[in-house]
Amino acid sequence: QKEVEQNSGPLSVPEGAIASLNCTYSDRGSQSFFWYRQYSGKSPELIMFIYSNGDKEDGRFTAQLNKASQYVSLLIRDSQPSDSATYLCAVTEGRGSTLGRLYFGRGTQLTVWP
Amino acid sequence: DGGITQSPKYLFRKEGQNVTLSCEQNLNHDAMYWYRQDPGQGLRLIYYSQIVNDFQKGDIAEGYSVSREKKESFPLTVTSAQKNPTAFYLCASRHTGGWGIYNEQFFGPGTRLTVL
Repeated sequence: QKEVEQNSGPLSVPEGAIASLNCTYSDRGSQSFFWYRQYSGKSPELIMFIYSNGDKEDGRFTAQLNKASQYVSLLIRDSQPSDSATYLCAVTEGRGSTLGRLYFGRGTQLTVWP
Repeated sequence: DGGITQSPKYLFRKEGQNVTLSCEQNLNHDAMYWYRQDPGQGLRLIYYSQIVNDFQKGDIAEGYSVSREKKESFPLTVTSAQKNPTAFYLCASRHTGGWGIYNEQFFGPGTRLTVL
């Protein structure tokens, strides 16, 4: 069983602050990494994916990957109350599109207060 | 509009009944997935299918069954053998093309199942 661990939370930050969400994974062969956002009662939606070591930025979101440390993070800059949700980290079991599944962490609940 | 539909949105089951949750996609995706989510928990994989007429058990397949007779459909049956089926059920699909790249999974809106 592959393990994906996220900081347990809940995480609470003021509006305008940087929210930092962390995820570690056990499978050294994992190659693709995803961050999903899930609002209460809704289904997950993808906000970021990353395949290579380093940083990847998209608007207020930055994903960071360090395969040597088996660590992936998500930074949310200028946090807004609308960012309040549960963030799920998901990891593949290896390279290639033939490998079918993702492993999900339990999620970190983020609250951004005005 | 392309997307994934799940029905019903809410489902109530009596003890000892089998129920079937529908999942349909018009994205022309090859792979489809069923997850279960309990309050405060992440997603646990029940079954997945990468091609028609083939599927694999996930981590919690006991008490569930699936079929994949058509590319666009992947129904999940919750049998009476599943002792604690009350949960939020999510269906997902993804495109499997592009060697070396794992394309994202897209999720349907979910079905909330409650056992009475």
